[in-house]
Amino acid sequence: AQSVTQLGSHVSVSEGALVLLRCNYSSSVPPYLFWYVQYPNQGLQLLLKYTSAATLVKGINGFEAEFKKSETSFHLTKPSAHMSDAAEYFCAVSDPFTGGGNKLTFGTGTQLKVEL
Amino acid sequence: ETGVTQTPRHLVMGMTNKKSLKCEQHLGHNAMYWYKQSAKKPLELMFVYNFKEQTENNSVPSRFSPECPNSSHLFLHLHTLQPEDSALYLCASSQGGTVYNSPLHFGNGTRLTVT
Repeated sequence: AQSVTQLGSHVSVSEGALVLLRCNYSSSVPPYLFWYVQYPNQGLQLLLKYTSAATLVKGINGFEAEFKKSETSFHLTKPSAHMSDAAEYFCAVSDPFTGGGNKLTFGTGTQLKVEL
Repeated sequence: ETGVTQTPRHLVMGMTNKKSLKCEQHLGHNAMYWYKQSAKKPLELMFVYNFKEQTENNSVPSRFSPECPNSSHLFLHLHTLQPEDSALYLCASSQGGTVYNSPLHFGNGTRLTVT
């Protein structure tokens, strides 16, 4: 079965600093990978997805992620953190099954705190 | 109205009550999902429906009963719940069929508290 591991349940950065949130995956097939963000009292919002077209994927709000097969990683970055980026971030991998739809397996999440 | 809408946003129920959660999507999708989000645990997939047919039941207790009358609506019927069932219940939708690169679109969830 596919799985993802997010290293660091809490990450704290200063406003304007680089954001790096780590995700490593385990997959028996070429993976489809996703990053989602969850703000308090809301559902999950898609930031970006990797579907094998390009290894560097750009998403919304200035985030991007790079797929590295050799490292089985899909880390999320943003050059300059903003206070509004404070939220919980989830990495997810598609778990192929024949039933139809797209089962996603999620990591445990990383809470990002942005400090002045 | 666009996206995925869940009602109610908050629900408090006793262990002997019966209640239902509702989800509606306006994205033209054909797959719908229920996820459970508990504190300090990964999101747990509960059910998957593809073109109104249930294709996944992730060993969910029978006190949770899903219903999908059409591709736009999904319900989760609740009865005789336990306090440990208190959580945020998230509905999502995506393209139907075996489209593994199709992202899920989530509603804002129903915060359920069982007393």
